[in-house]
Amino acid sequence: GQNIDQPTEMTATEGAIVQINCTYQTSGFNGLFWYQQHAGEAPTFLSYNVLDGLEEKGRFSSFLSRSKGYSYLLLKELQMKDSASYLCAVSYSGAGSYQLTFGKGTKLSVIP
Amino acid sequence: DAGITQSPRYKITETGRQVTLMCHQTWSHSYMFWYRQDLGHGLRLIYYSAAADITDKGEVPDGYVVSRSKTENFPLTLESATRSQTSVYFCASNTGPGSPLHFGNGTRLTVT
Repeated sequence: GQNIDQPTEMTATEGAIVQINCTYQTSGFNGLFWYQQHAGEAPTFLSYNVLDGLEEKGRFSSFLSRSKGYSYLLLKELQMKDSASYLCAVSYSGAGSYQLTFGKGTKLSVIP
Repeated sequence: DAGITQSPRYKITETGRQVTLMCHQTWSHSYMFWYRQDLGHGLRLIYYSAAADITDKGEVPDGYVVSRSKTENFPLTLESATRSQTSVYFCASNTGPGSPLHFGNGTRLTVT
């Protein structure tokens, strides 16, 4: 399988900024997704990067460097409801197939 | 309402029994996926399907069978359940590479 690495856990303070990193293998890469998953719920889509650079969506931004196999999710003005797991997922294509592979997720705890 | 639904939400079964998890989507998405989610492993792809009658193995297919006779349905069958298959199972769908996955609410399966 494809190796996707992200930190297991992070803690940040309400109102602060936090950056969650994700590294991946570049072979067959054709896009990177970030998902949010609250405990006991299904993952929900946050962002998608296919080209290098920063994509901004309100308090959330996602960055991609294809040559480095690196992405990050930036969360600004943290709120308590942002406490969740954040999943990095990479889309790979090759040999006529397509797969979406997830990292193990980063559990973010937002504290007052 | 349009969406992706899984049934049952919870299932307890015994080792050796056959069990089928159902997944139905109303978007007419081409691609459908089955993932399992376990602590320490994140989401792992079991099988996916690019269209009706086209299925392919993911990272952890052993012990599972899928079929896709109709675009909207993608059932997952455990032919002879084992305790190691105790997990949360998510079905998802999308229109193809580059489009976000939409997840069902999950099925929590316990094999005793």
